[in-house]
Amino acid sequence: GAGVSQSPRYKVAKRGQDVALRCDPISGHVSLFWYQQALGQGPEFLTYFQNEAQLDKSGLPSDRFFAERPEGSVSTLKIQRTQQEDSAVYLCASREGSALSVLRSRHFNQPQHFGDGTRLSIL
Amino acid sequence: GIQVEQSPPDLILQEGANSTLRCNFSDSVNNLQWFHQNPWGQLINLFYIPSGTKQNGRLSATTVATERYSLLYISSSQTTDSGVYFCAVTSNTGKLIFGQGTTLQVKP
Repeated sequence: GAGVSQSPRYKVAKRGQDVALRCDPISGHVSLFWYQQALGQGPEFLTYFQNEAQLDKSGLPSDRFFAERPEGSVSTLKIQRTQQEDSAVYLCASREGSALSVLRSRHFNQPQHFGDGTRLSIL
Repeated sequence: GIQVEQSPPDLILQEGANSTLRCNFSDSVNNLQWFHQNPWGQLINLFYIPSGTKQNGRLSATTVATERYSLLYISSSQTTDSGVYFCAVTSNTGKLIFGQGTTLQVKP
């Protein structure tokens, strides 16, 4: 498809289970971001990939959160030993250029495009 | 870090009315985006507007980067405009920092 695709759309898990969330970015997009959106809040940054390299993981809330993008396209966000506070919508976004190209304004129109998100509920 | 504040937090309009949403940010930023999150949770890009003014149909946006604010104008509002409007600024690392949003309800 033409947009960012995320799966599953909804996920319910019991506390303590592991979950894996998938993101298919727009084809050819270099940058990929994961965000977490709690109920009633704005999305908050989790982690950033440039191709297969995870350049920023400063937003991951704990070592139970792990993200990968092994071939520089599809990304997976994994949450181990889930807890109730992990319940949120997890959003993935992609952008055509790298952070450096945006700063250099070689590609001036560089919005991030978001998927529909995965709504995770931990019981 | 950069702080992003949006106002008002909530807004109720009668269909056909106009409104202005504001976004203030605490430091110089590379870029700014406005999003509409519909009742189904989808984040829709409205504007990518680091400076200046852009218009798209009934919506327009103005960013004054030197004064660290952006405005989103909605004219002749429709019920389908309901939802949450977010402004987000881009940090030097490229990640988006979101405001808390303005929840808009347009009544028929």
